[in-house]
Amino acid sequence: QITLRESGPTLVRPTQTLTLTCTFSGFSLNSHGVGVGWIRQPPGKAVEWLAHIYWDDDKRYSPSVASRLTIAKDTSRNQVFLSLRNMDPVDTATYFCVSGMRFFDSWGQGTPVIVSS
Amino acid sequence: DIQMTQSPSTLSASVGDRVTITCRASQRISHWLAWYQQKPGQAPKLLMYEPSKLQRGVPSRFSGSGSGTEFTLTINGLQSEDFATYYCQQYNSFPLTFGGGTLVEIK
Repeated sequence: QITLRESGPTLVRPTQTLTLTCTFSGFSLNSHGVGVGWIRQPPGKAVEWLAHIYWDDDKRYSPSVASRLTIAKDTSRNQVFLSLRNMDPVDTATYFCVSGMRFFDSWGQGTPVIVSS
Repeated sequence: DIQMTQSPSTLSASVGDRVTITCRASQRISHWLAWYQQKPGQAPKLLMYEPSKLQRGVPSRFSGSGSGTEFTLTINGLQSEDFATYYCQQYNSFPLTFGGGTLVEIK
């Protein structure tokens, strides 16, 4: 059974860096054909894909956040990290960790992030 | 970027109805399309991919079709637990993009 759980701060000040951790189980990011990514959903709005990292360390980013976003993994700890710099109130959203190569068959419950001074 | 447009944005229906949601891509994506269902306060859940393959555990009243630029998700015999928001997502190319969502509400 695959599980994913997001963790990180709920409140972030503008211009700060958001760091979120996804801790997963039920699969290994060392295995061929495995990917983990991040998706966010602003309150009352649609979901938006942000980034993905693959078993071979290939990384893909949404152009909308690519200049501010870094995704990384620690396969020994079954964790994937998201770092989003220069946070703005428009980044207020629930952030989801997902598994899958290009579509997402498992999701974490999501973690809310509010950007406010 | 490939833009995904869903219609309608809101759909009012009754239990037992047949419901169809359309998703259009701004360029051809072959059959690389997935559908998700999201209920309030929950993460989206994968329903269909490629786009007619049913994710395991999803009831057979859900079906998907289409290729190229036009796709549909059909629910045959709407159940009370199906009232939710539905999203399509293309995975033909990066960036991966979602439609704006279709809310299926009780008439």
